[in-house]
Amino acid sequence: DAGVIQSPRHEVTEMGQEVTLRCKPISGHNSLFWYRQTMMRGLELLIYFNNNVPIDDSGMPEDRFSAKMPNASFSTLKIQPSEPRDSAVYFCASSMGLLPGELFFGEGSRLTVL
Amino acid sequence: QQQVKQSPQSLIVQKGGIPIINCAYENTAFDYFPWYQQFPGKGPALLIAIRPDVSEKKEGRFTISFNKSAKQFSLHIMDSQPGDSATYFCAARWETSGSRLTFGEGTQLTVNP
Repeated sequence: DAGVIQSPRHEVTEMGQEVTLRCKPISGHNSLFWYRQTMMRGLELLIYFNNNVPIDDSGMPEDRFSAKMPNASFSTLKIQPSEPRDSAVYFCASSMGLLPGELFFGEGSRLTVL
Repeated sequence: QQQVKQSPQSLIVQKGGIPIINCAYENTAFDYFPWYQQFPGKGPALLIAIRPDVSEKKEGRFTISFNKSAKQFSLHIMDSQPGDSATYFCAARWETSGSRLTFGEGTQLTVNP
């Protein structure tokens, strides 16, 4: 299995631009999570989906952030407009849900907003 | 109440030493406590996990000690190696929340040769 695949691995953009991060979960996994990692705040859960349905988006910082999961094999996290404080590593993780707490993380998308 | 507090923030040991990383929580509704290991440029990966009805779990050189009454748990790495140098996160799962995890702040471990 290829694992969780994220793209792009690195993104540098200017303030005000739209950013779209993409994730392909492991086939057969029914839960998908978006986390943000920064030095100051550690790993923060932004949103998670179960069977393609958003279950909890209380971690999404503000209306500039949105996430979709149109099907079981694809999810996007969009930031519009981006701001320098959004600079972080964004991780996507998926889980089969059979073993609680066993998340499989992608390698992350490092976002830098200038 | 959904927080998990982790210490220390960083830790340096010599090869063969036994680093210990501690975590504490408040909410008794947490029912599953995994530890994740993260190498630079990679995503976190599950290392070992424990449920609150068990006081200790060992997997190879890694041991979790769990103190339910004190609401604390810790990771011990026996005979540490330079390849163990990584960031370690404790985490907790809120019961009935599926695989949703709350992570501690992370501990950056360096094992010197």
